Amino acid sequence: EVQLVESGGSLVQPGGSLKLSCVASGFTFSNYWMDWVRQTPGKSLEWIGEINTDGSKTNYAPSIKDRFTISRDNAKSTLYLQMSNVKSDDTAIYYCTRPRWFAYWGQGTLVTVSS
Amino acid sequence: DIVMTQSPFSLAVSEGEMVTINCKSSQSLLSSGNQKNYLAWYQQKPGQSPKLLIYYASTRQSGVPDRFIGSGSGTDFTLTISDVQAEDLADYYCLQHYSSPYTFGAGTKLELK
Repeated sequence: EVQLVESGGSLVQPGGSLKLSCVASGFTFSNYWMDWVRQTPGKSLEWIGEINTDGSKTNYAPSIKDRFTISRDNAKSTLYLQMSNVKSDDTAIYYCTRPRWFAYWGQGTLVTVSS
Repeated sequence: DIVMTQSPFSLAVSEGEMVTINCKSSQSLLSSGNQKNYLAWYQQKPGQSPKLLIYYASTRQSGVPDRFIGSGSGTDFTLTISDVQAEDLADYYCLQHYSSPYTFGAGTKLELK
């Protein structure tokens, strides 16, 4: 059974940093691109970015480009999202998901940006 | 970026009714290479993660009841739910996976009348 488990969400001050993790199981992690998607308190879903199978290629949404970095450790079946210079608009539930079609999602981890 | 315009924002229905949710993209989602539309539909119930219902605009994900029907091509797409059940009350989102950045519609809330 495919499982994705996010962690690392917390309360962080504006301008601060945070690193989220997503541990995958039930499939060969190194064979799949992986993505991060977030859902704001207003409920809308926003694609954040993706990473290829060996971590050599990433694509990001313009709204977070140069502030967030996606990486992975295939030996640990773990996906990461490094968030820097966070803003109040980054307050959201962050999900890791497996493309294509995002058929599998984790339960999400909540990031709150507030002073 | 491709903008996904989803309508209506909310919909009140009775069990047994049929409903349609629309999604319009600012650019065609039809691939000339394989003639497939890169459009998906998701269902999200309160407190849960989104669940994939339909991909390639009309292909039902395994395990999804056949009362969920996706249709459309190019820039105009529809999710039809026939014979709505109480368990279908949820938020629904469309997603374009044609080009990065991938973008979602704003969502449609399906409520009980």
